[in-house]
Amino acid sequence: NAGVMQNPRHLVRRRGQEARLRCSPMKGHSHVYWYRQLPEEGLKFMVYLQKENIIDESGMPKERFSAEFPKEGPSILRIQQVVRGDSAAYFCASSSGTGAQETQYFGPGTRLLVL
Amino acid sequence: SQQGEEDPQALSIQEGENATMNCSYKTSINNLQWYRQNSGRGLVHLILIRSNEREKHSGRLRVTLDTSKKSSSLLITASRAADTASYFCATDPIYNQGGKLIFGQGTELSVKP
Repeated sequence: NAGVMQNPRHLVRRRGQEARLRCSPMKGHSHVYWYRQLPEEGLKFMVYLQKENIIDESGMPKERFSAEFPKEGPSILRIQQVVRGDSAAYFCASSSGTGAQETQYFGPGTRLLVL
Repeated sequence: SQQGEEDPQALSIQEGENATMNCSYKTSINNLQWYRQNSGRGLVHLILIRSNEREKHSGRLRVTLDTSKKSSSLLITASRAADTASYFCATDPIYNQGGKLIFGQGTELSVKP
């Protein structure tokens, strides 16, 4: 059973370009979470999605950031008009549910560098 | 402020010694989870302890949870150089609409051979 997959692993963008980060959850998991980790810090929640629905986007910046989890295909985190402050590691996690015993399994992350 | 806060921020020990990391949080939780992150890598899930549990073991790991003090500890016994990593606690707050986790800043553990 493959784990959570993310691609690309590393992404370099110039200021003003768009970044698209992909996440394929573990097989059988329908809950996807995106987190951002700035250097030397812990992870900060961004958004929680189920198939075709955004459940909680309380951690998403109000502008330039969007996320989707279509019926078919991976979840996408999209950052428009990137700025240097967007440089970070972006992690995706998936789970099979949200009960008290549910574990979130993390992907290897995408490290975004904005020049 | 941050829901989960670990201490110490950094810990350096010799191989074979035990390592203890603490985590405090502010709101009531469904569960608390500990993760390990090797430098530049993803997070590896170590252990989940539910709010109605007080202690849990997994191999060389022992986790305790004190909901009255809103704190947890992770003990790694007989540490090895391969245990060198950052360790994060993450809470699943009761007020969650879903399962988002609130992470602490982490404890950086260095185990010297």
